[in-house]
Amino acid sequence: EIVLTQSPGTLSLSPGETTTLSCRASQTISSRYFAWYQHKPGQAPRLLIYGASNRATGVPDRFSGSGSGTDFSLTISRLEPEDSAVYYCQQYGSSPLFGQGTKVEIK
Amino acid sequence: QVQLQESGPGLVKPSETLSLTCTVSGGSISGYFWSWIRQPPGKGLEWIGYIYYSGSTDYNPSLRSRVTISLDRSKNQFSLKVRSVTAADTAVYYCARGDYVGGNYNYNMAVWGEGTTVTVSS
Repeated sequence: EIVLTQSPGTLSLSPGETTTLSCRASQTISSRYFAWYQHKPGQAPRLLIYGASNRATGVPDRFSGSGSGTDFSLTISRLEPEDSAVYYCQQYGSSPLFGQGTKVEIK
Repeated sequence: QVQLQESGPGLVKPSETLSLTCTVSGGSISGYFWSWIRQPPGKGLEWIGYIYYSGSTDYNPSLRSRVTISLDRSKNQFSLKVRSVTAADTAVYYCARGDYVGGNYNYNMAVWGEGTTVTVSS
């Protein structure tokens, strides 16, 4: 059974900064079936990245994904207050599975 | 553009069956993988299961014995049933549609409903 572990658990950052969120899989997964989601309170989650590095429609180029094998990352550049959210990684090569999430706070 | 809307009772008694429906508008339910996901209070996202337009399904192993997802093509809807619910099934429930990339339908979640809160309580 695959386990996705995200780190760190929480980030507190300032506008304009750049940050990288990590997601590590317990076994090798295909980057073709790896995604990142943004989830704000009271809203539906939003697909940000699919196929490890492809931005979904309408996602600003401040968001970029990379990685392969067991290590994947989401980089958010030029942070804005609206980027405050919980970010989840997901593999969907087999039965879909989410990581536990990283909370990003922009102050 | 396709939109999804969850509907169903907001309160379910313990040991009973939770039933939710997701109505798809602005597009056909044909093709694509259709999923249910939930978020218990204070916790992360949990995938419940999906159904492909052909009717094939897959479920989270932790819920497989209690969950059924079905499709009604005539109504452009798909549904979720969770049997023998307990307080641990209290959550916001989302329906979602996968994407179609490079000639393949995927069971990620590219389009989401707004979610519906279900509370299990007597």
